[in-house]
Amino acid sequence: NAGVTQTPKFQVLKTGQSMTLQCAQDMNHNSMYWYRQDPGMGLRLIYYSASEGTTDKGEVPNGYNVSRLNKREFSLRLESAAPSQTSVYFCASSTSTGGLTEAFFGQGTRLTVV
Amino acid sequence: KNQVEQSPQSLIILEGKNCTLQCNYTVSPFSNLRWYKQDTGRGPVSLTIMTFSENTKSNGRYTATLDADTKQSSLHITASQLSDSASYICVVSFSNDYKLSFGAGTTVTVRA
Repeated sequence: NAGVTQTPKFQVLKTGQSMTLQCAQDMNHNSMYWYRQDPGMGLRLIYYSASEGTTDKGEVPNGYNVSRLNKREFSLRLESAAPSQTSVYFCASSTSTGGLTEAFFGQGTRLTVV
Repeated sequence: KNQVEQSPQSLIILEGKNCTLQCNYTVSPFSNLRWYKQDTGRGPVSLTIMTFSENTKSNGRYTATLDADTKQSSLHITASQLSDSASYICVVSFSNDYKLSFGAGTTVTVRA
């Protein structure tokens, strides 16, 4: 039962470097999401994809880009990393974006920008 | 200001004891409220989901209550086990929308 798989689990970047966080789900879900989790704060939505071929900004999209590569995969790219992007990033998926749909989360990527 | 406030921030309980976590929210219009459990180094896992018309929902030793009038929810853990040590997150959903508001969580430590 893989569920939602994120890679890498840990990453250290220098300021200005770029990288892509990968996320894949094997539950045939239509909707996928990227969140960041910072100490003392709730998870905040960066971007989401309601269905294959669509992406929308969430609460904190600045400094990030996303690609919904296919139904299974949703990647998050940092073009020029900043220390403020040090965080734990979670990918999630759900059958749809409506109502009582349950979200399933990956194990997270811990990113440190120095 | 966060629309979902949880208390306490952390608590320590002895194995076998009960505890109750609180969640107050200001999200409007309200669709549903969820409680998630997040183990250290892992992603959140859903415990319960309640609509505005539900007062209580149980999942094993976890029981969530909801008072939509006062915009308060609680999560009660019965007969705690060491494996209950985790962060418990209250999440509120807007009506007709999947934009979720997450609380900062309550960290529970169960000691033998």
